[in-house]
Amino acid sequence: DGGITQSPKYLFRKEGQNVTLSCEQNLNHDAMYWYRQDPGQGLRLIYYSQIVNDFQKGDIAEGYSVSREKKESFPLTVTSAQKNPTAFYLCASSKGQGVYEQYFGPGTRLTVT
Amino acid sequence: AQSVTQLDSQVPVFEEAPVELRCNYSSSVSVYLFWYVQYPNQGLQLLLKYLSGSTLVKGINGFEAEFNKSQTSFHLRKPSVHISDTAEYFCAVNTNAGKSTFGDGTTLTVKP
Repeated sequence: DGGITQSPKYLFRKEGQNVTLSCEQNLNHDAMYWYRQDPGQGLRLIYYSQIVNDFQKGDIAEGYSVSREKKESFPLTVTSAQKNPTAFYLCASSKGQGVYEQYFGPGTRLTVT
Repeated sequence: AQSVTQLDSQVPVFEEAPVELRCNYSSSVSVYLFWYVQYPNQGLQLLLKYLSGSTLVKGINGFEAEFNKSQTSFHLRKPSVHISDTAEYFCAVNTNAGKSTFGDGTTLTVKP
């Protein structure tokens, strides 16, 4: 079955530690996205990538980093510079922009204490 | 740049009643419109989309939406809701040039 996987489902870290969230897709999609979701605030775009080895900052990129070395993988690192990292993180992919919808993974809930 | 406004943050409704979730958008270029649903602690999944043609589009689970260009709206409707429709619903706008823009979401709560 084709789809997007995110791991782990729940992640706990101590303040000051970097943490990497995994996102893998086998849909052969060119574009991939990372969103942060907080209660009552909808989806906010962190980073997106339209093609391998290229990515752009979204609306709230500060304190985050990404890489896109392979078409199927788009890991997100939450660094210690992110002031409020506790949130639900969603990864998505699409064939491209415009007419194409996004396919979402199940999400990773990160708790930093 | 485009923007999306979902006019109601929460919509409570009784089972078997009709429901409308409202979405307005603004954009200086042509848009493509989407509705997604998110069940608790899950990712989003596509309900329906408007790309072109007929302004009334039908989606999964009995939902439909109507694109109104003059009012820049894309309201989601269902004639009779079930308990299982309780979820958060997101309206989204795409353009050919830019990334997707999502609304803040509407929480639909269906009561018995």
